[in-house]
Amino acid sequence: NAGVTQTPKFRILKIGQSMTLQCAQDMNHNYMYWYRQDPGMGLKLIYYSVGAGITDKGEVPNGYNVSRSTTEDFPLRLELAAPSQTSVYFCASSFGLAGGQLDTQYFGPGTRLTVL
Amino acid sequence: AQTVTQSQPEMSVQEAETVTLSCTYDTSESDYYLFWYKQPPSRQMILVIRQEAYKQQNATENRFSVNFQKAAKSFSLKISDSQLGDAAMYFCAYRSSYQETSGSRLTFGEGTQLTVNP
Repeated sequence: NAGVTQTPKFRILKIGQSMTLQCAQDMNHNYMYWYRQDPGMGLKLIYYSVGAGITDKGEVPNGYNVSRSTTEDFPLRLELAAPSQTSVYFCASSFGLAGGQLDTQYFGPGTRLTVL
Repeated sequence: AQTVTQSQPEMSVQEAETVTLSCTYDTSESDYYLFWYKQPPSRQMILVIRQEAYKQQNATENRFSVNFQKAAKSFSLKISDSQLGDAAMYFCAYRSSYQETSGSRLTFGEGTQLTVNP
């Protein structure tokens, strides 16, 4: 049971380049999330999904896109990378409504992205 | 919108002693959940403890306990018998109970860096 996996672990992009951060979970979780963590700050929600085919914006969605074609995968797309997107990106998942009141989010190890 | 505030950017404690990390939050909801997450240098986010707002009893997990004051909107974490492995960034987080509209999202504070001195 791998839990939540993220690839790559590290990446350096040039301004204007595009890339996709991959996230997968093998816990049959319904809900998945993308957060970013800027240096010395807490995590902020970028996008989330409550099931395959359903996504919604979080606090800081500008400059990102997501899709959820399967329950297991939730990729995050950066179309035109900007220095302001330099951050550590965390993917998380949870059972959601099926998890009941004690629904807990499980986090991946993070992707450190630098845009130069 | 809910906000979470951690007013202590850094704290330090001697090994085997007790330390308390502060967290306050703002919400208009009456039912919600509060969490403390630990982030060691590996960056992995690890759930330490959670509290349901409708429960008056403070949550406890081994050496970790909380002081939940609902009226004051305060949720502090107490670490007893501190160990070197407790050194990490600690985040307080809020989750609405209304999963249908919020998607179980977490709102995080800015974190408190805890140093444990031998």
